[in-house]
Amino acid sequence: DAGITQSPRHKVTETGTPVTLRCHQTENHRYMYWYRQDPGHGLRLIHYSYGVKDTDKGEVSDGYSVSRSKTEDFLLTLESATSSQTSVYFCAISDPRTSGRYSYNEQFFGPGTRLTVL
Amino acid sequence: GIQVEQSPPDLILQEGANSTLRCNFSDSVNNLQWFHQNPWGQLINLFYIPSGTKQNGRLSATTVATERYSLLYISSSQTTDSGVYFCAVERYGGSQGNLIFGKGTKLSVKP
Repeated sequence: DAGITQSPRHKVTETGTPVTLRCHQTENHRYMYWYRQDPGHGLRLIHYSYGVKDTDKGEVSDGYSVSRSKTEDFLLTLESATSSQTSVYFCAISDPRTSGRYSYNEQFFGPGTRLTVL
Repeated sequence: GIQVEQSPPDLILQEGANSTLRCNFSDSVNNLQWFHQNPWGQLINLFYIPSGTKQNGRLSATTVATERYSLLYISSSQTTDSGVYFCAVERYGGSQGNLIFGKGTKLSVKP
């Protein structure tokens, strides 16, 4: 399972409250990602990190911020939760490498966090 | 951006039957992965296959990168194969690690 845990696994909150989701990994993976999964959309990338304190935006980053102060933890924060952020959030890890003109970047996913914003 | 289309969207099989799932993508890719999301929501890696053919037990996959499609074969299906199968690609020259997912094929295997 690539040593990935997510917490909490389930959360119900109210509109306007701040929420922080945690992804923790134990195997020193370099890249970490946050995705959200919604019916009819598959999974979409929110933010990712390519090292401690190095992060970048993904496809659906509005309303989310992230932080990575140490290798093993990647935090996703909803500063003021809205009902449109009700979703299942997945963390993923990878260790990209390149050999000549070939690149390898297989991602492995955590168990997910189900967030409901009322 | 790159488009990823999976077919069929839904598939119902009798246990023991074989099936083929298809993934078409609209641009060149660095990375292509197949996942199985089980009924408990867990995403399980099946194949990392940007090109070529791989086999793992009853499952195999083929990606023809030049023609921009990938196929996932499931033989002698079992009820535990039920769930949603996702294809995901990383566009060649795109942001590293930005996997673009298809909408999935929902497979139900009946005993």
